[in-house]
Amino acid sequence: DTEVTQTPKHLVMGMTNKKSLKCEQHMGHRAMYWYKQKAKKPPELMFVYSYEKLSINESVPSRFSPECPNSSLLNLHLHALQPEDSALYLCASSQPGRDGDTQYFGPGTRLTVL
Amino acid sequence: KNEVEQSPQNLTAQEGEFITINCSYSVGISALHWLQQHPGGGIVSLFMLSSGKKKHGRLIATINIQEKHSSLHITASHPRDSAVYICAVNSGGSNYKLTFGKGTLLTVNP
Repeated sequence: DTEVTQTPKHLVMGMTNKKSLKCEQHMGHRAMYWYKQKAKKPPELMFVYSYEKLSINESVPSRFSPECPNSSLLNLHLHALQPEDSALYLCASSQPGRDGDTQYFGPGTRLTVL
Repeated sequence: KNEVEQSPQNLTAQEGEFITINCSYSVGISALHWLQQHPGGGIVSLFMLSSGKKKHGRLIATINIQEKHSSLHITASHPRDSAVYICAVNSGGSNYKLTFGKGTLLTVNP
């Protein structure tokens, strides 16, 4: 199984809502990532979890809150978002290695903030 | 100047043509990745390279570490190859952080 799954596929939320994005992988990978991607731009790294611990936070606003309940699951909790947060949110996973890791990406959640 | 530069930004080809996309980088790297993204879709990792050449089906990726340059070749291109191809590198001692190029939009016409 080389699949990373993400739910939901699409999400529309108001600025006062609280919602969560979910990501799951069963490849035994111990690193999991959240990326944000705007149209016609490359992905921007938001967070990295390594062995279930937050390893990298790229100065992401606190209205985005990541959570890694176990080695297979990664959540992104959303609260009080702004319209400019509308984007494709991609999850990825990899197995930490010595010289760079192949990242396996999920299909993404298309988020629209009204 | 972006640390990872791709060319061309846009490429249109006829079905069957041989395609080359180039990537140059200005930093020391531990690995270089070629990624594919179809419109509105997720990202697929095609290759991870630290030296030499790799081949998978009709796709070939090469890297020249001395020249800090990599190429992605597609032989016998097909309309289903139409996608954005992204070059990304691991640098700065991090196996987690990727520095991305801006991508090359490939359109293959039947």
